[in-house]
Amino acid sequence: DAGVTQSPTHLIKTRGQHVTLRCSPISGHKSVSWYQQVLGQGPQFIFQYYEKEERGRGNFPDRFSARQFPNYSSELNVNALLLGDSALYLCASSPGTGGYTFGSGTRLTVV
Amino acid sequence: GENVEQHPSTLSVQEGDSAVIKCTYSDSASNYFPWYKQELGKRPQLIIDIRSNVGEKKDQRIAVTLNKTAKHFSLHITETQPEDSAVYFCAAGDDKIIFGKGTRLHILP
Repeated sequence: DAGVTQSPTHLIKTRGQHVTLRCSPISGHKSVSWYQQVLGQGPQFIFQYYEKEERGRGNFPDRFSARQFPNYSSELNVNALLLGDSALYLCASSPGTGGYTFGSGTRLTVV
Repeated sequence: GENVEQHPSTLSVQEGDSAVIKCTYSDSASNYFPWYKQELGKRPQLIIDIRSNVGEKKDQRIAVTLNKTAKHFSLHITETQPEDSAVYFCAAGDDKIIFGKGTRLHILP
């Protein structure tokens, strides 16, 4: 039984470029959340989607956007990348409220 | 905005002793309080969670207590073992979950 899968696992981008990160939730889970984790800190909430609708948004600039598809998978998009966007991006899925299971993350390096 | 404070940031405990990590939260609408363990280079793993209609929950050596009036909750690990060494995160929320900054737990031999 597959857990939360994220792709790619690692990514190197240049400042100003755009990036798309992907997440497939656990089968049957309808909620997906995105977090940014900078080394040595706790995960910072970016977005939460449930049944394809945005349920919450963290304190991130408009360069960050996301969407959820009919099969409940999700994409996180970041435009005009900055050096400070370098981090581990984690996706978590849940059947509803609570019980979030994290994927292994995408490590993004912006150079 | 919502905030979760976690203390201490670092904790060293002799093997076999108990460890306690404490968190406070600001959003009174929070109803769900998970704890995650993260080992170096790995994803956060859910170790225990509690909902606001319960004051205490225990799972083997791990227990969590919640005081909703005071808006604080704690993680207790008893009979600590070397494999308990990791970073522990508390979190609070409902639909969206806000994390604390983490506690690095060292188990000393």
